[in-house]
Amino acid sequence: GDSVTQMEGPVTLSEEACLTINCTYTATGYPSLFWYVQYPGEGLQLLLKATKADDKGSNKGFEATYRKETTSFHLEKGSVQVSDSAVYFCAAERNTGFQKLVFGTGTRLLVSP
Amino acid sequence: DGGITQSPKYLFRKEGQNVTLSCEQNLNHDAMYWYRQDPGQGLRLIYYSQIVNDFQKGDIAEGYSVSREKKESFPLTVTSAQKNPTAFYLCASRPPGSEGYTFGSGTRLTVV
Repeated sequence: GDSVTQMEGPVTLSEEACLTINCTYTATGYPSLFWYVQYPGEGLQLLLKATKADDKGSNKGFEATYRKETTSFHLEKGSVQVSDSAVYFCAAERNTGFQKLVFGTGTRLLVSP
Repeated sequence: DGGITQSPKYLFRKEGQNVTLSCEQNLNHDAMYWYRQDPGQGLRLIYYSQIVNDFQKGDIAEGYSVSREKKESFPLTVTSAQKNPTAFYLCASRPPGSEGYTFGSGTRLTVV
């Protein structure tokens, strides 16, 4: 079945450091890809998405590019802030049949001042 | 503003009791979902519903039940048959297309 694999955390960075969180997927066809963010004690918020190969999703300084050849959707940010500390989930969703999201296990990001 | 409301935020249950978690949305979305979140395991799908009066089992449906009598509401009952119910429960809905899900703020259930 479909699956999403993302790097284990926690990822610990100092403020203004560069961030990369790796995500790869296994799915039939070309799914839509998403990054969600979860702040402590809250639900998930959609951070960015890409629906086809070579699309780049971006939001709040975060970016991710849909790479069909490597089945990847790595999350990047050039300069992290303390307020970026959260858990980040990569997810994939088929574009045929009934759509349901398949999530990775989440990566906790800790940013220190 | 439109959104999804989950209640209560915290819930305590004694072993052997059934408990119902509420999920209400005013986004006019047809599809709704229930996920369970455990530390280090990401989100696992419990039940989902594509339209009113229809729902399907997800990956971990045992010990849970749902109903979808109204478009706006998708309550989840955690029954006494669920062996390890302590977890964070998230409800979500989605519009047609690839816009992604909208999540509620979650209910943390603890069995005492």
